[in-house]
Amino acid sequence: QQQVKQSPQSLIVQKGGISIINCAYENTAFDYFPWYQQFPGKGPALLIAIRPDVSEKKEGRFTISFNKSAKQFSLHIMDSQPGDSATYFCAASIETPSNTGKLIFGQGTTLQVKP
Amino acid sequence: KAGVTQTPRYLIKTRGQQVTLSCSPISGHRSVSWYQQTPGQGLQFLFEYFSETQRNKGNFPGRFSGRQFSNSRSEMNVSTLELGDSALYLCASSLGRLAGDTDTQYFGPGTRLTVL
Repeated sequence: QQQVKQSPQSLIVQKGGISIINCAYENTAFDYFPWYQQFPGKGPALLIAIRPDVSEKKEGRFTISFNKSAKQFSLHIMDSQPGDSATYFCAASIETPSNTGKLIFGQGTTLQVKP
Repeated sequence: KAGVTQTPRYLIKTRGQQVTLSCSPISGHRSVSWYQQTPGQGLQFLFEYFSETQRNKGNFPGRFSGRQFSNSRSEMNVSTLELGDSALYLCASSLGRLAGDTDTQYFGPGTRLTVL
């Protein structure tokens, strides 16, 4: 119940295309859903995050779509660029005083954007 | 503002040894969380410290321990190293807010530990 399942494991997209990464969860107590981007040799960096009371959030070329009833959320990268080539992780957490500082991560998606 | 720093960046140890990793959080951040990243298990939460106290703990054996100092810097210790402890160890810092307010975690570059 603490798992977050992420797909696909890897993704190849042409420059200018749309990259879509999906995540699913079981625990309805999760109330915070961030996406992180990680480049080789670096730590994960927060891209965008959403709470379950919002169905969509957009920041630049990055959009999170959230479907509370289906317990799914996805990251859309519009106009994908070679510089977006990285590993993307979805995550979830339960933000309560008894569960501080703990993010549950998906397995990651390696995105390659071809020029 | 300087980001999260971790030292050392790379470490090679042999089985049975112990190791201490260090993390300096972003100035003003009081919470430090530690994660283990491996190809097989992904990113897994180890523990979180706030104001020198461990507030939360993941499902790792007691060989993994940590502490936090009064300046919020944190150390993680792994005793009696096993081959399976080879991983990238990441720390993340945050303000340490409790429920009701998003508490974004900012990650350091990690320490790559290799156990031979």
